[in-house]
Parts: sequence; C-alpha cells; structure tokens
Amino acid sequence: AQRVTQPEKLLSVFKGAPVELKCNYSYSGSPELFWYVQYSRQRLQLLLRHISRESIKGFTADLNKGETSFHLKKPFAQEEDSAMYYCALSGLSGGYQKVTFGIGTKLQVIP
Amino acid sequence: EAGVAQSPRYKIIEKRQSVAFWCNPISGHATLYWYQQILGQGPKLLIQFQNNGVVDDSQLPKDRFSAERLKGVDSTLKIQPAKLEDSAVYLCASSLVGSGGTEQFFGPGTRLTVL
Repeated sequence: AQRVTQPEKLLSVFKGAPVELKCNYSYSGSPELFWYVQYSRQRLQLLLRHISRESIKGFTADLNKGETSFHLKKPFAQEEDSAMYYCALSGLSGGYQKVTFGIGTKLQVIP
Repeated sequence: EAGVAQSPRYKIIEKRQSVAFWCNPISGHATLYWYQQILGQGPKLLIQFQNNGVVDDSQLPKDRFSAERLKGVDSTLKIQPAKLEDSAVYLCASSLVGSGGTEQFFGPGTRLTVL
C-alpha cells in the first residue's frame, strides 16, 4: 500500500521568510513524487515533479529516499504563494501507475 | 490548448436522488481520472480509465457509483442514490498516458451538495 502524509494542515509564514512544506511517503518501490498547487478559485495544477529536478516559482523539492520525504522549500515566501499544496505519489500497483494524494497543506503568507 | 472541461459546476440534490457529472478531457489524453475531494481532505481516486478501459476502480463505491468512457474520450460519473456523505467536489483529470512521471491536468470540478 502507498501512503502520503502531510503533517501540517496550515502553515503561516511572514513574507520574506523561508517556507518548508513537509511530505512523507510510504511505498515499497521507487516512487514518482509530485507537488500540486491550487490557488484561490483556480484549478489544481502541477507545481513540480522530482524527476525533473527543476525549480518552479522559486520552489524546490528533493526526494530523500532514506527519510522517505519530499519536502517543498522556498527561501523567501511571497504573498502570491498563498495556496493549497498537495503532495502526490505515483507508484506501480497491479501493473499500472496508481496516484495517491496527501490531505494538503494551506500556506498562508502574511504581508 | 483547451483544458479539461466539467459540467455542471455546482449541483444541489436531496438524498436518494440521482446525479450525473460529465467530463471532457484534453484532446489526445488517453488516461482519465475521477477524484472525490471531501472538504479538508486531499483528492481520492474513484476510477481511472486508460482509453475506454477501467484500470482502477478499487475505491469506487460500486453499489451507488458508476462511470463510463464509451468512446475513449469524454466520461460520465453517476451517483444513484446519493447519500449525505457524497457531498464533495468531484474532480476530473486527464493525462497523456498513465506512466509514473506524467502530469495530470485537472478540470474545475463539480461541487455536489446532498441535502
């Protein structure tokens, strides 16, 4: 079974402060990890995926297989970063890729 | 490129009534997903189609929920009869293929309220 845990439902930070949204996973194989974001009144959309090793809107995430974590980080929070963030895992199950989402963390950037 | 379309955007029904949702994925996307998102929770996969075949429906309450994707393009999700606990946002998503690193594109969702 695969599981994604996001321990914080709400994270409040001041503008300019560093941000770290935590994500831990449980999966026996080699997972594909994603961060999706939902801004107010917008659709859920992909922010970044670990296989791309890219930085999007200043956010980065590193897959740590030893700690089974995929935390999302940004050195300086901006007000426009306020949104819901979902960590997702895609793992092979029964011959196909199964995607599991975490419950999400609401990031609130205080001006 | 047009995104994933869903209708209706909002629906209010009474318990024991029936309801249907429609989804039109991005053109060329072989994989289509239906998710249920209850307030305060993450999206939960209900059913996943690869073209017009079902890949995963392990979390679909089959006694009341059904879904089809007859021509491998658009899809409908039906609830009959609805229960209070079905109140949620129903999200449709599509992707090119169901491989591990594939991005899912989401529709705007249908917000269902069961009274």
